Amino acid sequence: GAGVSQSPSNKVTEKGKDVELRCDPISGHTALYWYRQRLGQGLEFLIYFQGNSAPDKSGLPSDRFSAERTGESVSTLTIQRTQQEDSAVYLCASSYRVDTEAFFGQGTRLTVV
Amino acid sequence: GDSVTQMEGPVTLSEEAFLTINCTYTATGYPSLFWYVQYPGEGLQLLLKATKADDKGSNKGFEATYRKETTSFHLEKGSVQVSDSAVYFCALSSNTGKLIFGQGTTLQVKP
Repeated sequence: GAGVSQSPSNKVTEKGKDVELRCDPISGHTALYWYRQRLGQGLEFLIYFQGNSAPDKSGLPSDRFSAERTGESVSTLTIQRTQQEDSAVYLCASSYRVDTEAFFGQGTRLTVV
Repeated sequence: GDSVTQMEGPVTLSEEAFLTINCTYTATGYPSLFWYVQYPGEGLQLLLKATKADDKGSNKGFEATYRKETTSFHLEKGSVQVSDSAVYFCALSSNTGKLIFGQGTTLQVKP
Protein backbone atom coordinates (compact mmCIF):
# COMPACT_ATOMS: atom_id res chain seq x y z
CA GLY A 1 0.00 0.00 0.00
CA ALA A 2 0.89 3.65 -0.17
CA GLY A 3 1.36 4.04 3.55
CA VAL A 4 1.16 2.29 6.89
CA SER A 5 -2.41 1.24 7.57
CA GLN A 6 -3.79 0.53 11.02
CA SER A 7 -7.16 -0.90 11.94
CA PRO A 8 -9.44 -0.23 13.57
CA SER A 9 -8.97 3.52 13.82
CA ASN A 10 -11.05 3.58 16.99
CA LYS A 11 -11.93 0.82 19.42
CA VAL A 12 -14.07 1.03 22.54
CA THR A 13 -13.99 -2.09 24.66
CA GLU A 14 -15.17 -3.18 28.05
CA LYS A 15 -12.70 -3.80 30.82
CA GLY A 16 -11.61 -7.42 30.84
CA LYS A 17 -12.16 -8.05 27.13
CA ASP A 18 -9.39 -8.93 24.67
CA VAL A 19 -8.57 -6.68 21.71
CA GLU A 20 -6.52 -7.12 18.53
CA LEU A 21 -4.93 -4.21 16.75
CA ARG A 22 -3.68 -4.64 13.21
CA CYS A 23 -0.87 -2.96 11.30
CA ASP A 24 -0.19 -3.26 7.58
CA PRO A 25 3.27 -1.83 6.88
CA ILE A 26 4.60 -0.41 3.65
CA SER A 27 5.43 -3.25 1.28
CA GLY A 28 9.10 -4.21 1.44
CA HIS A 29 9.75 -2.63 4.82
CA THR A 30 11.66 -5.08 6.98
CA ALA A 31 11.35 -3.24 10.30
CA LEU A 32 8.05 -2.71 12.10
CA TYR A 33 7.52 -0.89 15.41
CA TRP A 34 4.69 -0.58 17.93
CA TYR A 35 4.35 2.37 20.32
CA ARG A 36 1.81 3.54 22.84
CA GLN A 37 0.99 7.23 23.22
CA ARG A 38 -1.13 8.26 26.17
CA LEU A 39 -2.90 11.61 26.01
CA GLY A 40 -0.36 14.42 26.14
CA GLN A 41 2.53 12.00 26.56
CA GLY A 42 5.45 10.87 24.43
CA LEU A 43 5.89 7.63 22.51
CA GLU A 44 6.33 4.59 24.71
CA PHE A 45 8.22 1.82 22.87
CA LEU A 46 6.45 -1.53 23.02
CA ILE A 47 8.12 -3.92 20.56
CA TYR A 48 9.79 -4.03 17.19
CA PHE A 49 10.18 -6.66 14.48
CA GLN A 50 13.04 -7.29 12.11
CA GLY A 51 11.39 -9.49 9.52
CA ASN A 52 9.14 -11.82 11.51
CA SER A 53 11.40 -11.86 14.56
CA ALA A 54 11.10 -9.61 17.60
CA PRO A 55 14.65 -8.94 18.87
CA ASP A 56 13.41 -6.66 21.63
CA LYS A 57 10.19 -7.22 23.57
CA SER A 58 11.36 -5.25 26.57
CA GLY A 59 8.75 -2.53 26.18
CA LEU A 60 5.69 -4.73 26.53
CA PRO A 61 4.06 -3.50 29.77
CA SER A 62 2.87 -6.88 31.02
CA ASP A 63 2.21 -10.44 29.94
CA ARG A 64 -1.25 -9.31 28.84
CA PHE A 65 0.43 -7.76 25.81
CA SER A 66 1.71 -9.81 22.88
CA ALA A 67 2.50 -9.21 19.23
CA GLU A 68 3.29 -11.19 16.18
CA ARG A 69 4.24 -10.57 12.58
CA THR A 70 3.77 -12.93 9.67
CA GLY A 71 5.04 -13.03 6.12
CA GLU A 72 7.29 -10.06 6.92
CA SER A 73 4.13 -8.05 6.51
CA VAL A 74 1.08 -7.61 8.71
CA SER A 75 1.48 -7.40 12.47
CA THR A 76 -1.07 -7.86 15.23
CA LEU A 77 -0.82 -6.43 18.74
CA THR A 78 -3.07 -8.29 21.19
CA ILE A 79 -4.06 -7.00 24.60
CA GLN A 80 -5.76 -9.55 26.85
CA ARG A 81 -8.04 -8.72 29.76
CA THR A 82 -7.91 -5.01 29.00
CA GLN A 83 -7.63 -2.51 31.84
CA GLN A 84 -8.54 1.17 31.90
CA GLU A 85 -4.86 2.13 31.97
CA ASP A 86 -4.52 0.50 28.54
CA SER A 87 -6.52 3.39 27.05
CA ALA A 88 -4.21 5.18 24.62
CA VAL A 89 -3.37 5.62 20.95
CA TYR A 90 -1.38 2.66 19.64
CA LEU A 91 0.94 3.63 16.81
CA CYS A 92 2.61 1.39 14.28
CA ALA A 93 5.53 2.38 12.08
CA SER A 94 7.62 0.64 9.47
CA SER A 95 10.96 1.32 7.82
CA TYR A 96 12.99 -0.16 5.00
CA ARG A 97 15.88 -0.77 7.39
CA VAL A 98 16.28 -0.13 11.08
CA ASP A 99 18.35 3.05 10.56
CA THR A 100 16.16 4.64 7.88
CA GLU A 101 13.08 6.84 8.08
CA ALA A 102 10.13 5.29 9.88
CA PHE A 103 6.70 5.92 8.43
CA PHE A 104 3.84 6.03 10.89
CA GLY A 105 0.24 4.95 10.62
CA GLN A 106 -2.59 7.10 11.93
CA GLY A 107 -2.91 4.95 15.02
CA THR A 108 -5.66 3.06 16.79
CA ARG A 109 -7.36 4.95 19.60
CA LEU A 110 -8.26 2.40 22.26
CA THR A 111 -10.72 3.30 25.00
CA VAL A 112 -11.37 0.82 27.79
CA VAL A 113 -14.58 1.53 29.69
CA GLY B 1 19.91 1.19 28.11
CA ASP B 2 19.67 3.61 25.24
CA SER B 3 17.59 6.72 25.88
CA VAL B 4 16.69 10.18 24.57
CA THR B 5 16.07 13.26 26.71
CA GLN B 6 14.41 16.41 25.40
CA MET B 7 13.81 19.77 26.97
CA GLU B 8 10.38 20.04 28.49
CA GLY B 9 7.75 22.18 26.91
CA PRO B 10 5.66 23.88 26.03
CA VAL B 11 7.91 26.34 24.26
CA THR B 12 6.09 29.53 23.33
CA LEU B 13 7.67 31.94 20.85
CA SER B 14 6.65 34.91 18.78
CA GLU B 15 6.77 34.65 15.01
CA GLU B 16 10.27 35.16 13.55
CA ALA B 17 11.97 34.26 16.83
CA PHE B 18 14.94 31.89 17.01
CA LEU B 19 14.16 28.34 18.10
CA THR B 20 16.30 25.82 19.93
CA ILE B 21 14.95 22.53 21.26
CA ASN B 22 17.58 20.58 23.16
CA CYS B 23 18.03 16.85 22.76
CA THR B 24 20.66 14.62 24.34
CA TYR B 25 21.03 10.88 24.06
CA THR B 26 22.62 7.88 25.70
CA ALA B 27 23.57 4.99 23.44
CA THR B 28 26.17 2.36 22.85
CA GLY B 29 27.85 2.40 19.48
CA TYR B 30 26.91 4.91 16.81
CA PRO B 31 23.17 5.48 16.55
CA SER B 32 21.38 7.35 13.80
CA LEU B 33 19.54 10.42 15.08
CA PHE B 34 16.21 11.83 13.96
CA TRP B 35 13.76 14.65 14.56
CA TYR B 36 10.11 13.81 13.94
CA VAL B 37 7.23 16.31 13.98
CA GLN B 38 3.56 15.85 14.76
CA TYR B 39 1.35 18.68 13.51
CA PRO B 40 -2.08 19.09 15.14
CA GLY B 41 -4.41 16.32 14.04
CA GLU B 42 -1.76 14.61 11.92
CA GLY B 43 0.53 11.62 12.28
CA LEU B 44 4.24 11.69 13.02
CA GLN B 45 6.52 12.44 10.11
CA LEU B 46 10.26 12.66 9.70
CA LEU B 47 11.65 16.21 9.80
CA LEU B 48 15.38 15.52 9.44
CA LYS B 49 18.06 13.00 10.29
CA ALA B 50 21.82 12.48 10.68
CA THR B 51 23.60 9.16 10.55
CA LYS B 52 27.13 9.92 11.77
CA ALA B 53 29.08 12.33 13.91
CA ASP B 54 29.26 15.94 12.64
CA ASP B 55 26.53 15.32 10.06
CA LYS B 56 23.99 18.14 9.80
CA GLY B 57 20.41 17.29 8.94
CA SER B 58 18.24 20.04 7.51
CA ASN B 59 14.71 20.49 6.19
CA LYS B 60 12.14 23.31 6.00
CA GLY B 61 14.61 25.74 7.58
CA PHE B 62 15.25 23.44 10.56
CA GLU B 63 18.75 22.14 11.30
CA ALA B 64 20.36 19.77 13.75
CA THR B 65 24.00 18.67 14.05
CA TYR B 66 25.07 15.26 15.36
CA ARG B 67 27.52 16.07 18.19
CA LYS B 68 29.13 12.91 19.48
CA GLU B 69 31.35 14.72 21.99
CA THR B 70 28.33 16.17 23.77
CA THR B 71 25.89 13.36 22.77
CA SER B 72 23.48 15.99 21.51
CA PHE B 73 21.26 16.67 18.50
CA HIS B 74 19.67 20.06 19.19
CA LEU B 75 17.01 21.31 16.78
CA GLU B 76 17.30 24.92 15.58
CA LYS B 77 15.44 27.29 13.30
CA GLY B 78 16.37 30.88 12.67
CA SER B 79 12.87 32.31 12.24
CA VAL B 80 9.81 30.34 13.28
CA GLN B 81 6.36 30.70 11.76
CA VAL B 82 2.91 30.09 13.17
CA SER B 83 2.72 27.02 10.92
CA ASP B 84 5.66 25.46 12.83
CA SER B 85 3.44 24.98 15.87
CA ALA B 86 3.59 21.24 16.55
CA VAL B 87 5.07 18.60 18.81
CA TYR B 88 8.70 17.75 18.04
CA PHE B 89 10.24 14.40 18.93
CA CYS B 90 13.93 13.56 19.00
CA ALA B 91 14.72 9.89 18.33
CA LEU B 92 17.60 7.49 17.91
CA SER B 93 17.99 4.19 16.12
CA SER B 94 20.17 2.04 18.33
CA ASN B 95 22.68 -0.52 17.14
CA THR B 96 20.14 -3.21 18.03
CA GLY B 97 17.61 -1.65 15.68
CA LYS B 98 15.34 -0.24 18.37
CA LEU B 99 13.87 3.20 17.50
CA ILE B 100 13.62 5.21 20.71
CA PHE B 101 11.83 8.55 21.10
CA GLY B 102 12.12 11.36 23.57
CA GLN B 103 9.07 12.66 25.38
CA GLY B 104 8.32 15.34 22.81
CA THR B 105 8.39 19.13 23.03
CA THR B 106 5.34 21.21 22.20
CA LEU B 107 6.09 24.40 20.27
CA GLN B 108 3.53 27.19 20.12
CA VAL B 109 4.28 30.12 17.81
CA LYS B 110 2.16 33.23 18.27
CA PRO B 111 1.63 35.83 15.53
